[in-house]
Amino acid sequence: DAGVTQSPTHLIKTRGQQVTLRCSPKSGHDTVSWYQQALGQGPQFIFQYYEEEERQRGNFPDRFSGHQFPNYSSELNVNALLLGDSALYLCASSIKGEDTQYFGPGTRLTVL
Amino acid sequence: AQSVTQPDIHITVSEGASLELRCNYSYGATPYLFWYVQSPGQGLQLLLKYFSGDTLVQGIKGFEAEFKRSQSSFNLRKPSVHWSDAAEYFCAVGYSGGYQKVTFGIGTKLQVIP
Repeated sequence: DAGVTQSPTHLIKTRGQQVTLRCSPKSGHDTVSWYQQALGQGPQFIFQYYEEEERQRGNFPDRFSGHQFPNYSSELNVNALLLGDSALYLCASSIKGEDTQYFGPGTRLTVL
Repeated sequence: AQSVTQPDIHITVSEGASLELRCNYSYGATPYLFWYVQSPGQGLQLLLKYFSGDTLVQGIKGFEAEFKRSQSSFNLRKPSVHWSDAAEYFCAVGYSGGYQKVTFGIGTKLQVIP
């Protein structure tokens, strides 16, 4: 049983560019959450998707947007990249109504 | 708003020694509490969780944690640390039902010396 997978593993972009990160949830899971983990910090909640809609959102600007597909996979899009967007982006999946999230290995984004 | 405090940023213990990592939370109702471990360059692995019932919970890799409502704490313990336990440990709080939003602490980095 594959766990949560994310792609790509690493990504380097320049300021002002746009980036798309991808996540496939654990088999049987229908809810996907995204977190940003800056160096030396704990993960910060960005948003959560269920039934292809954003259900909850953390304190992140509108430059951060997402999408969930019918097969429950998800994308995180970040526009107009800033140096401060450099971080490890973690995807977590869960089952609606259950309370444990399972995390993927993350995508390391570097903005130059 | 929910919050988590991990007062120890960095802890060093000798291999074979006991370990206790501290975690305090702030939440208005009964929280859902988690401990995750993160090895360098890796994602988060769930060690254990508390939802209700017995306040002492057992997890993987020989870890346990105790929920103390009166102290708003959920400390992680291990009786004998192994070199492979060196990693970063995150305490997190969530809440029941609906759409789960989890708030993490800043993490405690554990170093194990021979």
